[in-house]
Amino acid sequence: KAGVTQTPRYLIKTRGQQVTLSCSPISGHRSVSWYQQTPGQGLQFLFEYFSETQRNKGNFPGRFSGRQFSNSRSEMNVSTLELGDSALYLCASMTSGGYNEQFFGPGTRLTVL
Amino acid sequence: GDSVTQMEGPVTLSEEAFLTINCTYTATGYPSLFWYVQYPGEGLQLLLKATKADDKGSNKGFEATYRKETTSFHLEKGSVQVSDSAVYFCALSSAGGTSYGKLTFGQGTILTVHP
Repeated sequence: KAGVTQTPRYLIKTRGQQVTLSCSPISGHRSVSWYQQTPGQGLQFLFEYFSETQRNKGNFPGRFSGRQFSNSRSEMNVSTLELGDSALYLCASMTSGGYNEQFFGPGTRLTVL
Repeated sequence: GDSVTQMEGPVTLSEEAFLTINCTYTATGYPSLFWYVQYPGEGLQLLLKATKADDKGSNKGFEATYRKETTSFHLEKGSVQVSDSAVYFCALSSAGGTSYGKLTFGQGTILTVHP
C-alpha cells in the first residue's frame, strides 16, 4: 500500500506571495492532518480534515487554510507569506478509528525569501 | 492544555550502549501515547504506541511503558546501533472532539550513535 505523498517536496517563495501544498493520504484513510515543523517551535498542529470537513484547528492565523476533496486528498494554502512561514510542512493520514495513530508524509520544505 | 516534555538533548552514545529518553506528559483523561522517529530529510515514522495505562509498546528493539501514575512514557533500547541515529519525538493524543486528528509533540531528542 502506498504511503502518504506530498508535493512539491521543496518550494521557494518570496514574501507576500501565496503557496499551495498538496497531500495524498494512504488509500482508505479519510482523515488528513497538517503540521508545521520549525527549529524554534517544533511540531505544531495546523488543522485536520475528515470527509471534506475541517474538524479541528490549531492556533494559526487565518492566512493558513486548507481543504479536502472527495477522494480525501488535501491541500493547504498560505497567503501573504512571511519569513517566519519558512518550515517543513508535514501532512499525516489516519483511519477513522485509529486512536489518532497517524502516518506521515515526507513533508514539503518551504523557504520564504 | 495537553503538553509533552522530553529530556534535554542531544544524546550521544557509543554503539551497543543502553538508551533511555525520558518523556512526561500532561493531559486530561486517558490519552494515547506515541514515539515517532525522524531521519534526516524525511517525515516522521511511527516507532511504537500505547493506548492505555500499563501497556508496553515495542518495535525494532525499542520499548516504552505507559505509566499513568507518573504520567511518563520513557523510550528505552538495550543496545543502540549507528543506524538508530535520528530525532525521536514523544507525542500524545487526547480523546474527545477537540482533539480530532491532533497530536501534541515533545520538542524532540537528537540521538547520535558513534561506532
